[in-house]
Amino acid sequence: GAVVSQHPSWVICKSGTSVKIECRSLDFQATTMFWYRQFPKQSLMLMATSNEGSKATYEQGVEKDKFLINHASLTLSTLTVTSAHPEDSSFYICSARKRTGPNTEAFFGQGTRLTVV
Amino acid sequence: AQSVAQPEDQVNVAEGNPLTVKCTYSVSGNPYLFWYVQYPNRGLQFLLKYITGDNLVKGSYGFEAEFNKSQTSFHLKKPSALVSDSALYFCAVRARNSGNTPLVFGKGTRLSVIA
Repeated sequence: GAVVSQHPSWVICKSGTSVKIECRSLDFQATTMFWYRQFPKQSLMLMATSNEGSKATYEQGVEKDKFLINHASLTLSTLTVTSAHPEDSSFYICSARKRTGPNTEAFFGQGTRLTVV
Repeated sequence: AQSVAQPEDQVNVAEGNPLTVKCTYSVSGNPYLFWYVQYPNRGLQFLLKYITGDNLVKGSYGFEAEFNKSQTSFHLKKPSALVSDSALYFCAVRARNSGNTPLVFGKGTRLSVIA
């Protein structure tokens, strides 16, 4: 199988600080990773698409200066929530697709519960 | 544009009874279709996918789904529900030849299996 590890699983931070979330593909290479945000009892909202070695593509309405995404290697993408505010509190989920196979499913991390106080 | 509709926010079923979670999709051309399950405070777990071939797809934990092109549906089914099946279920679609685009998800259906 393919394993995606997301860290941390949960984090509490003070308003105004920055938080970094890591997403790693443990046993495969992922040229593309996706970052989602999920509000309670709602579906996943795509935030950005992250391609290894290039700038992330952000969805409309997502502030790229607030949600910094770095995809420095084929196995690691990071999401940094800068100057976090309580309204940024949410469940953030990453997913990764294998380097080969256009019809492959996406593999998801376990998610990160961010609480900004 | 691609889209997925899951018409039911909540499905309740008694343990041992068959369950169905509905999904319809809209996509240009032929689709790749997926079902995922999410347990509380967890990421999504892959259940099954339709790529091509047999319209009836069997997946993990006894789940199956039937691709119906004429009705543009991909309903998830299980012959006998377990309490442990209670979770949030997401249907997703990608168009073929859509490059490296992300999956498009439905809003999810919460399944409650009652003992």
